[in-house]
Amino acid sequence: DSGVTQTPKHLITATGQRVTLRCSPRSGDLSVYWYQQSLDQGLQFLIQYYNGEERAKGNILERFSAQQFPDLHSELNLSSLELGDSALYFCASSVAGQFYNEQFFGPGTRLTVL
Amino acid sequence: GNSVTQMEGPVTLSEEAFLTINCTYTATGYPSLFWYVQYPGEGLQLLLKATKADDKGSNKGFEATYRKETTSFHLEKGSVQVSDSAVYFCALSEAPFSGGGADGLTFGKGTHLIIQP
Repeated sequence: DSGVTQTPKHLITATGQRVTLRCSPRSGDLSVYWYQQSLDQGLQFLIQYYNGEERAKGNILERFSAQQFPDLHSELNLSSLELGDSALYFCASSVAGQFYNEQFFGPGTRLTVL
Repeated sequence: GNSVTQMEGPVTLSEEAFLTINCTYTATGYPSLFWYVQYPGEGLQLLLKATKADDKGSNKGFEATYRKETTSFHLEKGSVQVSDSAVYFCALSEAPFSGGGADGLTFGKGTHLIIQP
């Protein structure tokens, strides 16, 4: 158990809909990262938040957005969903100030878009 | 941009065989290198890491050495077990110390390892 929790575990929805994925980082970790894992694209970094502020962006679509709240939990919002958005979405957290950026991953949310 | 290339497999070995999974990288700076493992139905776990050239990361019998001259970070284990069956990801991070976390990891495609009894 990494200490990172994600809800829900599974999500099934239809094209055009909007969903919210939730992540709680390890106690004391200020950084949260979101990743997408799909068969064709592999594991891709989407976005990072540090202590409530956006820190870095990767291959995140404009239809996707995220935020980190004062209690440090984070939400990833996916809108106007398409079939190709079906994937496993991971959240990870890390301790601020760690040079080698060790990240701890949650169990993931499996999103299926029908 | 940064990239990581690794053999995708599946790689099938017998128990107690020697394992090598190749990983090479391209980076504009001086990255830190990682191997993560993903067991079926689970998230990724950090297996080992190396932060500078010639560093050797090791954990649970696995080893990898940061080779700057060949831009490689090959994963090795002398004697694999059935319980090592999983997907292994090589990854890099290029963020310098900033006092506030770092950028996201760049991953390879993953290598599916199957160990037969």
